[in-house]
Amino acid sequence: NAGVMQNPRHLVRRRGQEARLRCSPMKGHSHVYWYRQLPEEGLKFMVYLQKENIIDESGMPKERFSAEFPKEGPSILRIQQVVRGDSAAYFCASSQGSSPLHFGNGTRLTVT
Amino acid sequence: DQQVKQNSPSLSVQEGRISILNCDYTNSMFDYFLWYKKYPAEGPTFLISISSIKDKNEDGRFTVFLNKSAKHLSLHIVPSQPGDSAVYFCAASVGSGGGADGLTFGKGTHLIIQP
Repeated sequence: NAGVMQNPRHLVRRRGQEARLRCSPMKGHSHVYWYRQLPEEGLKFMVYLQKENIIDESGMPKERFSAEFPKEGPSILRIQQVVRGDSAAYFCASSQGSSPLHFGNGTRLTVT
Repeated sequence: DQQVKQNSPSLSVQEGRISILNCDYTNSMFDYFLWYKKYPAEGPTFLISISSIKDKNEDGRFTVFLNKSAKHLSLHIVPSQPGDSAVYFCAASVGSGGGADGLTFGKGTHLIIQP
């Protein structure tokens, strides 16, 4: 039973480029969450999605960031025109209903 | 405004002794609390949880205590083992499990088990 799969593990982008982070939830899970961890900080909630729906995006910056969870395929977190402050570890988690969240190993984004 | 606080960035405990990790919260709406363990370069792993209707939950070497009046919870690990060395995150939610609103995390406590 594969866990939450995130790719790529490491992503380097120059300022102004786009970053695209992928997350495949655990089998049978239909709830996906994205979190961001800045250095020396805890994980900060960004967005909660179910298939084809954004349920709560209150933690996501209003500009440049978007997320989707299509009917088929992985969830995508997209960051347009990246800036140095976007450098962080981005974690995806999934759950089914009220079960505890299961996290992937994260994507470490470095903006140069 | 941090709603979940872990005031000890790090904690060093001798192998075999008890490790006690503390967590305070400010949002009285939180009714479900979880502890996650994280190794470097990995994602957090769920460890143990407690609902606000309980004051204690035990799973093997891990016990979580909840004091609602003080808005405080703690994780006890006994006996501590070298493999317990990791960063421990306290998390809270409104509603059980992951909840529709996601989890609010503390900044973590780095537990170091000394041989």
